[in-house]
Amino acid sequence: DTEVTQTPKHLVMGMTNKKSLKCEQHMGHRAMYWYKQKAKKPPELMFVYSYEKLSINESVPSRFSPECPNSSLLNLHLHALQPEDSALYLCASRLRQAAGNTIYFGEGSWLTVV
Amino acid sequence: AQTVTQSQPEMSVQEAETVTLSCTYDTSENNYYLFWYKQPPSRQMILVIRQEAYKQQNATENRFSVNFQKAAKSFSLKISDSQLGDTAMYFCAFTPIEKLTFGTGTRLTIIP
Repeated sequence: DTEVTQTPKHLVMGMTNKKSLKCEQHMGHRAMYWYKQKAKKPPELMFVYSYEKLSINESVPSRFSPECPNSSLLNLHLHALQPEDSALYLCASRLRQAAGNTIYFGEGSWLTVV
Repeated sequence: AQTVTQSQPEMSVQEAETVTLSCTYDTSENNYYLFWYKQPPSRQMILVIRQEAYKQQNATENRFSVNFQKAAKSFSLKISDSQLGDTAMYFCAFTPIEKLTFGTGTRLTIIP
């Protein structure tokens, strides 16, 4: 089972709204990721959590706020976003020490900022 | 910094033929992992195949195989007996430990 579940699949929000994207995995993975992907571009890393601690922040604007409540859950809190933040947001997870160091992705959350 | 380069933005091939997608990377790391991911129109990022840098043997997964040349920092993907379902964007990706870096992608179209 290599399932990473993301909700919601689609989200439309105004620039003054506060919303959250959620990600869940039950594979025992201890590293979790948020990526942002614009159309026709590769995914860009935003954040990495390792053992529930933020280990990498790729200089992401503070209007994006990650949270890792436990080893299975990862949230991305959104506030005062801009239209250019509209994109596909991908969550991923990885089991440290696993053979191949493979990172598994969820189906993504499509975000539209209006 | 690590970089991943895919020099073929688009490719097309007839169904049942063989196609090879190119990827080169640059790193000063000695231990790392390489992957090919497939992203169909649904945008789900699907793992196709992986290769550990310390393994000399090229990875294979059914119709998919890689040609890993560590000294040349080259990692190409060969798809044999291509099928319509192989139509997708293909990303080459690299990771030493935590950070997964993607190439720009190759859009592959399988022609019936």
